[in-house]
This record gives sequence, structure tokens and C-alpha cells, in this order.
Amino acid sequence: KAGVTQTPRYLIKTRGQQVTLSCSPISGHRSVSWYQQTPGQGLQFLFEYFSETQRNKGNFPGRFSGRQFSNSRSEMNVSTLELGDSALYLCASSGGQGQTGELFFGEGSRLTVL
Amino acid sequence: GNSVTQMEGPVTLSEEAFLTINCTYTATGYPSLFWYVQYPGEGLQLLLKATKADDKGSNKGFEATYRKETTSFHLEKGSVQVSDSAVYFCALANTGGFKTIFGAGTRLFVKA
Repeated sequence: KAGVTQTPRYLIKTRGQQVTLSCSPISGHRSVSWYQQTPGQGLQFLFEYFSETQRNKGNFPGRFSGRQFSNSRSEMNVSTLELGDSALYLCASSGGQGQTGELFFGEGSRLTVL
Repeated sequence: GNSVTQMEGPVTLSEEAFLTINCTYTATGYPSLFWYVQYPGEGLQLLLKATKADDKGSNKGFEATYRKETTSFHLEKGSVQVSDSAVYFCALANTGGFKTIFGAGTRLFVKA
């Protein structure tokens, strides 16, 4: 069974640009969560989607957005990039509707903003 | 709100030493508790979990017991190996919350 796939793995952008990250969950998983990981802040929850609906959202500005498609694949977008957006963005999928089960993580997309 | 607090690292141990990484939580209701591990250059992977009070999760020689009375879920291993060097995250998830909350992570270095 293929794991969670995130693309691209690495990317470099400049301030003011926007970026779109993609996540393909494990086949059959309908929940996708996104996290931002930085050395200073640890793992911060961005949002969670289930069957194309956002069920929860973390405390991030509106520049951070996401969506989920009917095949459960998900994308997140960050507009008007700032230096502080440099981070590892992790996607995780799970099969449970109640979201109390195990999360399966991808290897992440490392974003550097110059 | 819900939160997880774990001991700060880094923790440096010699091979075969005993490991304890402390984790306490604040939550409403009855959350599920987890330990995840992150090896260099990789995403997180589940190490063990416990879904109710007094449950003991175990995997690869690691253990943690869900203690509701002390709101704790400390990670232990009797004899660490160099290959255990990684970052360990304590986490909780509540039914209906639709999110898992992570502690800050504890980096473990094991010396040969």
C-alpha cells in the first residue's frame, strides 16, 4: 500500500510569491491534515479536511488556505509569502471519521522563502 | 483548550541506558494519546498509542501508560540503541475535535 505522497519535496520562493503544495493520502483514507513544522514553533496544526469539507482550522492567517478533492487528494496554498513561512509542511492522512486514530505522515515539503 | 507538554531536549544517553521522556496533557473528555517518532529527513511515524485510561501502549521496546490521574503519558525504554536517535513527539486527539495536537518534541541522541 503506497504511503502519503507530498510534492514537491523542496522548493524555494521569494517574498510576495505564492506556493501550492500537494498531498496524496493513502488509498481509502478520507481525512487529510496539514501541519507546519519549524524549529521554534514545533508542529502547528493548519487544517483538516474530510470528504472535501474543512472540519477544523488552526490559528493561521488567511494567506494559508487549503482544499480537498473528491479523490481525497489535498492541496494547500500560501499567498504573499513571508520569510517566516519557511518551514517543513507535513501532510497526514487517516481513515477515521472521528480523528482519534493514527495519522500517517508524508515526508513533507520543505519551503524556503528568500 | 487542549495542550501537550513534554520535556525539553536534547536528551543525550549512552547505548543501553534507560530512557524516560516525560509528557503531560490538558484535555477535556477522554482523548487518545500517542507517541510519534521522526527520524532525520523523514516525516513522523506512529510509535505507540493508548486510547483509554490505564492502557499501556508498546512497540519496539518502548512503552507508555495512559495515566488519567496524573494526566501523563511518559515514554520509557529499558535499553536504548544508537538507532533510536530521533525526535519524539507526544500527541493527543479528541473525538470530534478533528485534529491531533503535538508537544514540542524531544530530540534524543544515543552515543555508542
